Amino acid sequence: KQEVTQIPAALSVPEGENLVLNCSFTDSAIYNLQWFRQDPGKGLTSLLLIQSSQREQTSGRLNASLDKSSGRSTLYIAASQPGDSATYLCAVTRSGSARQLTFGSGTQLTVLP
Amino acid sequence: DADVTQTPRNRITKTGKRIMLECSQTKGHDRMYWYRQDPGLGLRLIYYSFDVKDINKGEISDGYSVSRQAQAKFSLSLESAIPNQTALYFCATSDFPELGGGSKGGELFFGEGSRLTVL
Repeated sequence: KQEVTQIPAALSVPEGENLVLNCSFTDSAIYNLQWFRQDPGKGLTSLLLIQSSQREQTSGRLNASLDKSSGRSTLYIAASQPGDSATYLCAVTRSGSARQLTFGSGTQLTVLP
Repeated sequence: DADVTQTPRNRITKTGKRIMLECSQTKGHDRMYWYRQDPGLGLRLIYYSFDVKDINKGEISDGYSVSRQAQAKFSLSLESAIPNQTALYFCATSDFPELGGGSKGGELFFGEGSRLTVL
């Protein structure tokens, strides 16, 4: 059974810092990995999707990397802003016909002005 | 308008009542999902459907049922609600990864969520 872990559970940084969020998974037989952002009481917004054949994806100040062999992904946020404060979740899609996603519990990020 | 719409957004009910949460989407996706989110537990899959005639149980389907009325509509029912079903429920859609178009294949799109409280 796939297990997805995100450490730390919470992170607080001053505005302007570059930061890294971590995601690890136990089964490397994945189809893709997604990073999401969730604001309090809101739905999830897809940030980046990395296919299993890719090493990284970039969108603006965000960069996500994937190392399947070690079961790890990182989300790098450059020049953090207070508006980046949210919970960030990663999810992996299993290979095979089912294509089910398994989510981590998320990292709650607070960027202090 | 949102691509994935959930109704109701908030619902308070009593133990033993039947509840239906509805989801509709304008993405044109075949795949639809119902997830439950509890604090500290992340999101857990309740049911998923790959097309109108295909319904599958997820990891926590006990106490829930679903109906796929059309490609765009997927509803979740709690036949007899109990307090430990109090949670935030999310509907999501995706295309077929193989047909999704390059690097975006299989991307998941979520509704805003339905907060259910069972007293």
